[in-house]
Amino acid sequence: AQTVTQSQPEMSVQEAETVTLSCTYDTSENNYYLFWYKQPPSRQMILVIRQEAYKQQNATENRFSVNFQKAAKSFSLKISDSQLGDTAMYFCAFMKPPNRHGSRLTFGEGTQLTVNP
Amino acid sequence: DSGVTQTPKHLITATGQRVTLRCSPRSGDLSVYWYQQSLDQGLQFLIQYYNGEERAKGNILERFSAQQFPDLHSELNLSSLELGDSALYFCASSVVLDGGTQYFGPGTRLTVL
Repeated sequence: AQTVTQSQPEMSVQEAETVTLSCTYDTSENNYYLFWYKQPPSRQMILVIRQEAYKQQNATENRFSVNFQKAAKSFSLKISDSQLGDTAMYFCAFMKPPNRHGSRLTFGEGTQLTVNP
Repeated sequence: DSGVTQTPKHLITATGQRVTLRCSPRSGDLSVYWYQQSLDQGLQFLIQYYNGEERAKGNILERFSAQQFPDLHSELNLSSLELGDSALYFCASSVVLDGGTQYFGPGTRLTVL
């Protein structure tokens, strides 16, 4: 079974600064997907970024980028130019490719990020 | 707005009762997933349906059941409710061929008193 670990329960950053959230995972699979979801106080789960394990290039979405280290099974999220609206719980998630047996997301425990003015 | 809708937003009920949570996936998505988010167990996968058929099962209690209808909407039925069933229940949908990225609905907050 796959496990996802987020070792930082809480983090804070000043507005306009850069912050990195850590995530490690354990799997015997070679092909898989990794995600970061954000859950603001509204409790909505919002996709931030996605990474395919077979792609060596790190995914980037505007101010959000990842550092994917496949050998180390590490998948960190970097938020640049932090904004107050980035305050949220961030979840790292793992998924095997969908097949006839279905698919599912396995989530980490989450990191509560607070952006201070 | 992810395009996934869930009703109701809030549900308050008593122990021993039965409730039904409803989910409509994004247009074109054939897969529907249910997740439970509770304080002590985090986000846990419950069950997946694809085009009307059950495809994957996670930590879903026997008191819980789900189905996906021909119009692709899904319902999660929770029966003999206990205090510990109080949680936020999310539905997500995906186009499986799109690498399976799941988009979440706003959730239904269930409170069992």
